[in-house]
Amino acid sequence: ELKVEQNPLFLSMQEGKNYTIYCNYSTTSDRLYWYRQDPGKSLESLFVLLSNGAVKQEGRLMASLDTKARLSTLHITAAVHDLSATYFCAVDSTNTGNQFYFGTGTSLTVIP
Amino acid sequence: GAGVSQSPSNKVTEKGKDVELRCDPISGHTALYWYRQSLGQGLEFLIYFQGNSAPDKSGLPSDRFSAERTGGSVSTLTIQRTQQEDSAVYLCASSLGGSKKTQYFGPGTRLLVL
Repeated sequence: ELKVEQNPLFLSMQEGKNYTIYCNYSTTSDRLYWYRQDPGKSLESLFVLLSNGAVKQEGRLMASLDTKARLSTLHITAAVHDLSATYFCAVDSTNTGNQFYFGTGTSLTVIP
Repeated sequence: GAGVSQSPSNKVTEKGKDVELRCDPISGHTALYWYRQSLGQGLEFLIYFQGNSAPDKSGLPSDRFSAERTGGSVSTLTIQRTQQEDSAVYLCASSLGGSKKTQYFGPGTRLLVL
């Protein structure tokens, strides 16, 4: 069974600090997705990483993908309160068709 | 443009009743997905449609769950004889399909089974 694990599950950080969220997955996949979910809201697409070595940046968030290590990272630079949300990574398994597998999520709280 | 819409936004039902949840995907999106999200949990895949066909039903948790999609657009998820453990947020997502698989999510239906 394909597994997608995120680390940490909960993260509390001060404004202005940097941190990295990790996403490990257990099967071959060329595509990895990052989503954000605000409390009581639906999921919003942040990044799509389509190949090994892909790096994408938007504002204070930067995502990267290492398909050989089956690892993606979401790096937060100089955190601000508005980044407080739950972040999910997801992979689609080319081996099992079109099913998407989501990680357990990382709940981020940025403290002023 | 219009995003994915779901109805109802909230549903409270009694144990044993049937419920129908509706999803209107983004126009032109051929792929449609249903997920379940329990409180404080990640997303559990339920079913995937490509057009009107459902090549992957592997995530449906029991035979009380079924889904259909008509005209390659609207989809309904039906839960028969609801149980308390069915209480969750049911999310629908659509995508262009093929290699363009970024999913766009609807606001969800919050189901509470009493």
